[in-house]
Amino acid sequence: AQTVTQSQPEMSVQEAETVTLSCTYDTSENNYYLFWYKQPPSRQMILVIRQEAYKQQNATENRFSVNFQKAAKSFSLKISDSQLGDTAMYFCAFFLNDYKLSFGAGTTVTVRA
Amino acid sequence: DAGVTQSPTHLIKTRGQQVTLRCSPKSGHDTVSWYQQALGQGPQFIFQYYEEEERQRGNFPDRFSGHQFPNYSSELNVNALLLGDSALYLCASSLRGARELFFGEGSRLTVL
Repeated sequence: AQTVTQSQPEMSVQEAETVTLSCTYDTSENNYYLFWYKQPPSRQMILVIRQEAYKQQNATENRFSVNFQKAAKSFSLKISDSQLGDTAMYFCAFFLNDYKLSFGAGTTVTVRA
Repeated sequence: DAGVTQSPTHLIKTRGQQVTLRCSPKSGHDTVSWYQQALGQGPQFIFQYYEEEERQRGNFPDRFSGHQFPNYSSELNVNALLLGDSALYLCASSLRGARELFFGEGSRLTVL
């Protein structure tokens, strides 16, 4: 079974600054996918960024980037130039070929004005 | 293009009752998965439906059952409700084999 661990229950960041969320996972597989999802108070889970394990290059989507360390089984998310609309719960998720997502417990991010 | 829609958005039931939640997938998607998200936790996989059959199932009791219709919409049924079934139930749709899931806004179930 795959497990996903997010060790930071809450993070607070000043608007326009940078915050990094940590995520570690456990698997014996070599080919898999990793995701960061954002869940604002509206409850809808929104995909922020994805990373294929076979790609060495770290994924980037605008202000969001990841640091993928496959050997260490680490997958952190960096939010640059934080905006008030980034306030949400962020989930790290692991996706293997069995078509189900395994989520971490989440990190609540609060962006302060 | 409508995304994933779920109904109802909120509902309250009492212990022992039964509930049915509904999901319409994103246009063009043929696979529907259901997740249970307890307050303050990450979603847990319940099961996945494709071609009107349950294809994958998580660690949930038989009280949780589902159905997928020919138009790919889906229902989640929970029988003999327990207090611990109180949660946000999320539906996600995808194309078979795709790695990206699109989620609805969920149905918030409260069991009293």
